[in-house]
Amino acid sequence: AQSVTQLGSHVSVSEGALVLLRCNYSSSVPPYLFWYVQYPNQGLQLLLKYTSAATLVKGINGFEAEFKKSETSFHLTKPSAHMSDAAEYFCAVRGYYQKVTFGTGTKLQVIP
Amino acid sequence: GAVVSQHPSRVICKSGTSVKIECRSLDFQATTMFWYRQFPKQSLMLMATSNEGSKATYEQGVEKDKFLINHASLTLSTLTVTSAHPEDSSFYICSARLLAGVNEQFFGPGTRLTVL
Repeated sequence: AQSVTQLGSHVSVSEGALVLLRCNYSSSVPPYLFWYVQYPNQGLQLLLKYTSAATLVKGINGFEAEFKKSETSFHLTKPSAHMSDAAEYFCAVRGYYQKVTFGTGTKLQVIP
Repeated sequence: GAVVSQHPSRVICKSGTSVKIECRSLDFQATTMFWYRQFPKQSLMLMATSNEGSKATYEQGVEKDKFLINHASLTLSTLTVTSAHPEDSSFYICSARLLAGVNEQFFGPGTRLTVL
């Protein structure tokens, strides 16, 4: 079985501040981990993915995430928030049978 | 990158009618496509996995007779919501995976279904 827990359904940061979105996972097999962004009434866009190579993964729009096996975490960060980063972010894990399980999402609000 | 399209992007229908949603991989062949449903302010829930040329595999609790899935070619999968009811109103998103061995899914833009 596999699962994803995203801590905090809503996160607010000031423009220019650090963005930290938390994700913890469980998986009975070595996982592939993903972060997706969703803008209102749109599909999902892949931000970055971990596939057992480098533990620090860099993605689009200045985001990065670090895979920490000991903590079963894959937190998403960005050094300086931009207004255009306001969206909903989903962490996902892919385990057995190629199935992808999504977290419940974190809505990021950027305050000017 | 790989592009997945969905049609229509929005559909409004009367209760009791059927609605077909298409999912196409535009520039690659997809042996497997996935259908998700997303209720307001919730995460994506996998409904079914569709493999080209075979029957779809439905997740527990998803009625296969209500949500008909056809994956007739390597670039097209369709989801038909039969006898739609207001509780079927949701955002339906498909994704497509490249041929076996590649681990990334590419998501379509979604279809907003509203059943009156």
